[in-house]
Amino acid sequence: GVTQSPTHLIKTRGQQVTLRCSSQSGHNTVSWYQQALGQGPQFIFQYYRKEENGRGNFPPRFSGLQFPNDSSELNVNALELDDSALYLCASSRRGETQYFGPGTRLLVL
Amino acid sequence: DQQVKQNSPSLSVQEGRISILNCDYTNSMFDYFLWYKKYPAEGPTFLISISSIKDKNEDGRFTVFLNKSAKHLSLHIVPSQPGDSAVYFCAASSDTTSGTYKYIFGTGTRLKVLA
Repeated sequence: GVTQSPTHLIKTRGQQVTLRCSSQSGHNTVSWYQQALGQGPQFIFQYYRKEENGRGNFPPRFSGLQFPNDSSELNVNALELDDSALYLCASSRRGETQYFGPGTRLLVL
Repeated sequence: DQQVKQNSPSLSVQEGRISILNCDYTNSMFDYFLWYKKYPAEGPTFLISISSIKDKNEDGRFTVFLNKSAKHLSLHIVPSQPGDSAVYFCAASSDTTSGTYKYIFGTGTRLKVLA
């Protein structure tokens, strides 16, 4: 299945954070979502063949990478208090159903 | 502007009865719809999906109905079991023609199945 690390993270405002995701075997597309408390997941961006393939309404300080083994990173610079959320990674074959990992819960103080 | 809406934040149902969860959408370009279930401290788990060319899809105890003219879909769970207690998210897919398969999620409905 899809795995994510770390499970929990505490940072202070202005810091930078890197979250990691390992895709399900055979999947070539990775999507990242942010889920704030009481809300549904919101699309951040998607990677396919190591290229960003679509972005939601998130500023450039949210960036990502996809590696040759289709694992992925989400980087967030200059953390703000509102970045506190559950960050979900989803993997899929291109155009097919997305399967989610357990998420990383980020708290920004 | 919320394109996918789940207007019932919570629902309680007796074990063995039918659970009906509803979802409305505004964007007529959506062509693929999904339901996910989420337990606390876990990621969303895929349940069932439906393409816009269909009006019904069934998988065991779960059936999804799509009414395109009303821009409405529903998830039926029959019979409901205590293990079904979770938050259910409706999602819709857009931008398929551009190659970006992003999902737009509703805010979720918390289902509680009472034993």
